[in-house]
Amino acid sequence: DGGITQSPKYLFRKEGQNVTLSCEQNLNHDAMYWYRQDPGQGLRLIYYSQIVNDFQKGDIAEGYSVSREKKESFPLTVTSAQKNPTAFYLCASSSDRVNQPQHFGDGTRLSIL
Amino acid sequence: SQKIEQNSEALNIQEGKTATLTCNYTNYSPAYLQWYRQDPGRGPVFLLLIRENEKEKRKERLKVTFDTTLKQSLFHITASQPADSATYLCALLYSNYQLIWGAGTKLIIKP
Repeated sequence: DGGITQSPKYLFRKEGQNVTLSCEQNLNHDAMYWYRQDPGQGLRLIYYSQIVNDFQKGDIAEGYSVSREKKESFPLTVTSAQKNPTAFYLCASSSDRVNQPQHFGDGTRLSIL
Repeated sequence: SQKIEQNSEALNIQEGKTATLTCNYTNYSPAYLQWYRQDPGRGPVFLLLIRENEKEKRKERLKVTFDTTLKQSLFHITASQPADSATYLCALLYSNYQLIWGAGTKLIIKP
C-alpha cells in the first residue's frame, strides 16, 4: 500500500545536539511538507518542497533545515538553534495540483532530555 | 492575518445523534476548505474538500457546508458512532500549496 513513513516514532534530543527526522513516501507525489503540532494549536508549516532539489521556508523555519535530494524523501533536521523543539512533527505529501488533499505520516514525537 | 477558529472545547454527543462541528475564519476568502480526522498519536486523515462555489458536499454519513458570507463551514456526522470519536481539523488554502489549519475540535461519541 502507498503511504508516508516517518521514523522514529519517538526521539529524544540532548542540549546542543542536532537530530534528523526521516520522511519517506511512495505515493509518487511531487509536493512534501513538514509541520509542527503543539497542544491547542493548529498545524504550523516549517518547510515545504514542490519539486526535487527545491524547498521553501514556511512560517516557523528558524532552527530547522531540510533537503530534497530524492522525490521520495524529505528529511527534517532540528538544529541546536531551535530552543523549543519539544513537539509532534508531521510530514505530508500531495500531488502537484493545487487543492489536492495532503497525505500524512504518523508523526515523530520529539522531546528534550 | 488569517485566522481559523474551531471550538476548543470537546463536543460530547450521544450515539446515534448528529454531531455538528464549526470552523470559522477571518480576513480571508479561501478558494476551498478541507476537513481531516486525527486520532491520538496519528497523522491527520483527509475526509472532505469543499470549494467556494459549492454550498454542500456529502460522503456517506458526512456532510460539509461552506458559507462564504458567514465565513463559516459546518461539518456534520449523522447517526454518530463511538468509532467517530476523534479530533476533527479544518484547513483553508492560503497560497498555492500552503494550508492554514485550525486547532481542531475533539469529538466524543458516548454509547
